[in-house]
Amino acid sequence: SQKIEQNSEALNIQEGKTATLTCNYTNYSPAYLQWYRQDPGRGPVFLLLIRENEKEKRKERLKVTFDTTLKQSLFHITASQPADSATYLCALGAVGSSNTGKLIFGQGTTLQVKP
Amino acid sequence: DAGVIQSPRHEVTEMGQEVTLRCKPISGHNSLFWYRQTMMRGLELLIYFNNNVPIDDSGMPEDRFSAKMPNASFSTLKIQPSEPRDSAVYFCASSPTGTGGRQPQHFGDGTRLSIL
Repeated sequence: SQKIEQNSEALNIQEGKTATLTCNYTNYSPAYLQWYRQDPGRGPVFLLLIRENEKEKRKERLKVTFDTTLKQSLFHITASQPADSATYLCALGAVGSSNTGKLIFGQGTTLQVKP
Repeated sequence: DAGVIQSPRHEVTEMGQEVTLRCKPISGHNSLFWYRQTMMRGLELLIYFNNNVPIDDSGMPEDRFSAKMPNASFSTLKIQPSEPRDSAVYFCASSPTGTGGRQPQHFGDGTRLSIL
């Protein structure tokens, strides 16, 4: 069955360092991968989308890579700040008439940035 | 611009009671999704609609769950009868029409449901 794995343990880093979060998947061939941020008591908020034919995508301090051979995406936050503390979810999407907009989410990784 | 609006934000009820969760998607969005989030299972897709038509309800756990979208600006998720294991946070999300996961989904802030 399809499986998405994100680090279940919280990631603790010092302010100013680069945070790297991992998303691995099996038994799936996604055409797109998205990353979301979720704060306590709130719904997920979209951050970045990367397509299967793209190796890397950047947005301000965020960078996402997508390796379809390794079946892995890495999510980087450079110059991290305490305000970046949240849970980050990866989500995979497929293309096809039966998959209009459907995403499968990972469990998420909680990031804690200490001042 | 108004985002996805869900109501109620919190619901506490006794098992056996009917529960109705409501969602107003972002105007102009053609796809609507209902999710359930728990610590054990994470964020699970229950059902999604495209142009008010249910496309995939394979995530609906049991016949006790039903969802409707009578028009483009309103959807409901109903649980009847409710059970304690239904306790979770239920999210509604909407997105512009697009195939696969090409379009970002916009989430509401969820309904925290507790069944006693």
